[in-house]
Amino acid sequence: DGGITQSPKYLFRKEGQNVTLSCEQNLNHDAMYWYRQDPGQGLRLIYYSQIVNDFQKGDIAEGYSVSREKKESFPLTVTSAQKNPTAFYLCASKNRDPSYNEQFFGPGTRLTVL
Amino acid sequence: GQQLNQSPQSMFIQEGEDVSMNCTSSSIFNTWLWYKQEPGEGPVLLIALYKAGELTSNGRLTAQFGITRKDSFLNISASIPSDVGIYFCAGQNQGNKLVFGAGTILRVKS
Repeated sequence: DGGITQSPKYLFRKEGQNVTLSCEQNLNHDAMYWYRQDPGQGLRLIYYSQIVNDFQKGDIAEGYSVSREKKESFPLTVTSAQKNPTAFYLCASKNRDPSYNEQFFGPGTRLTVL
Repeated sequence: GQQLNQSPQSMFIQEGEDVSMNCTSSSIFNTWLWYKQEPGEGPVLLIALYKAGELTSNGRLTAQFGITRKDSFLNISASIPSDVGIYFCAGQNQGNKLVFGAGTILRVKS
């Protein structure tokens, strides 16, 4: 089955620790995205990548880092510099063709800082 | 960043009723998307709209791309309990980035 997987589903972290969230897709999509979701708010873009070895900051990139070494994978690291990291994190991907704008989402990872 | 105004924030309706929600923006968009999210899951794409004035249906769901390109609405006819969830609009106007509304929480009384 083609799709996007995120792991783990739930993640707990102590303050001051970095943590990496996994996102993998087998849809052969070029573009991948990371969003943060907080209660009562829409999705906010953290980072995105349109091609391997290239990525751009989104609206709330501070305290986060990413890499895009493979087309299928776009891991997100939440660093200790992120002041309020507890949130639901969503990964998405899309075809790079600009006439095709539909993004498809993974099941999400809920991060809780203890 | 850009903002989409989505309304209503929440709805609590009787099973069988029709539902209507909308999104507006001060910016022009060339794509409007509607997603549904259930608790603890990722959003699922319901309908994609690419042309101003376009009206598209997906079962009991109907969405329209506003003629001014600054708004879109989603209607759900004859609601059922499994329609419960959060519905998000999203717009794209440049590059490969989407802007999301804050969501409409739908609750259905059976």
